[in-house]
Amino acid sequence: NAGVTQTPKFQVLKTGQSMTLQCAQDMNHNSMYWYRQDPGMGLRLIYYSASEGTTDKGEVPNGYNVSRLNKREFSLRLESAAPSQTSVYFCASRDRGEQFFGPGTRLTVL
Amino acid sequence: EDQVTQSPEALRLQEGESSSLNCSYTVSGLRGLFWYRQDPGKGPEFLFTLYSAGEEKEKERLKATLTKKESFLHITAPKPEDSATYLCAVQGARLSGSEKLVFGKGTKLTVNP
Repeated sequence: NAGVTQTPKFQVLKTGQSMTLQCAQDMNHNSMYWYRQDPGMGLRLIYYSASEGTTDKGEVPNGYNVSRLNKREFSLRLESAAPSQTSVYFCASRDRGEQFFGPGTRLTVL
Repeated sequence: EDQVTQSPEALRLQEGESSSLNCSYTVSGLRGLFWYRQDPGKGPEFLFTLYSAGEEKEKERLKATLTKKESFLHITAPKPEDSATYLCAVQGARLSGSEKLVFGKGTKLTVNP
């Protein structure tokens, strides 16, 4: 089992560029999540998907879109990147218990 | 609104010096309280889930306890490899968004040899 995988691991964008962060899990979990982690701010929820076919906003959704492609995959899209979106992004999945996290994507927007 | 406050923000211990980390929470109907460990440059790693007041869980040098208002992560005789940031999270019973966890900002633990 790979658990939760994320691609890419690192990315540098220029302001205004777009990109999609990919996440996949092989644990057959129903719920999937996208967080961002910034120094002093802790983990903040961007979007989550409680089940295949549904998505809901979290604490900081502005500037992001998500797609729950199927039960395994949950992608996060930045349509027009801004320097304020420089952060480390974590994907997670869970069924009825604890969340399992991916290794993260470190994104820098110049 | 569900909230989690962790203290202290940072803690330095000498190897073998036992201590506790605190997680205070307010939640509408606790469905679970979770402890995670996060090493630099990595994703959070699950440690414990606690469901009701009075419950305790142990793993090696770590012991988590839960009351109706807070949870403690007790570290007994820590070693340098216990150095990490420890995160606490709660899941509430709200009908809307009940699949969400709310995280605290974490306690950064450093254990010196």
